[in-house]
Amino acid sequence: SQELEQSPQSLIVQEGKNLTINCTSSKTLYGLYWYKQKYGEGLIFLMMLQKGGEEKSHEKITAKLDEKKQQSSLHITASQPSHAGIYLCGAEMGDYKLSFGAGTTVTVRA
Amino acid sequence: ETGVTQTPRHLVMGMTNKKSLKCEQHLGHNAMYWYKQSAKKPLELMFVYNFKEQTENNSVPSRFSPECPNSSHLFLHLHTLQPEDSALYLCASKRGGNEQFFGPGTRLTVL
Repeated sequence: SQELEQSPQSLIVQEGKNLTINCTSSKTLYGLYWYKQKYGEGLIFLMMLQKGGEEKSHEKITAKLDEKKQQSSLHITASQPSHAGIYLCGAEMGDYKLSFGAGTTVTVRA
Repeated sequence: ETGVTQTPRHLVMGMTNKKSLKCEQHLGHNAMYWYKQSAKKPLELMFVYNFKEQTENNSVPSRFSPECPNSSHLFLHLHTLQPEDSALYLCASKRGGNEQFFGPGTRLTVL
């Protein structure tokens, strides 16, 4: 099965500062998804990466997939309170299935 | 709002009760999923349905029984659950190779 390690487990950042979350796989990633979850709620899709070296941005969030396709990072620039939540990476496993990391809890301090 | 709805949002049940969770989407998606999310653990895939056919049963105990009567509706029937089954149950759907759309979840507490 696909093992995904996310780091850090949690982080606290001052509003306006940048932050980075990492997702590392034990196998080559053929599709990597980033989701955000507010506590106790469903997951909201952020971005999907498929190609080695691919980078996508949406508003202040940038996701990258390394050339070897075994590591992805999510970077938030000038964090705001609305960025607080749990960020999860998910890997395509074939047969319509995703395997998820344990998540990174982000707290933004005003 | 993702277009995937789940009811109820909260459920408290005793170990001898029988209850059902419902998931609904009218997005034209062909695949539907049940996940279990427990504290401090990764999302656990429970069941996958593709075009109403169950394609995955991830070693889930038989006290959880899924039902997919059509491609828009998915149920999870619960009976004789254990306290360790308390968790957030999430439904998701997708079409083809696109991303999964998640519902808001049902917070289940088993007493």
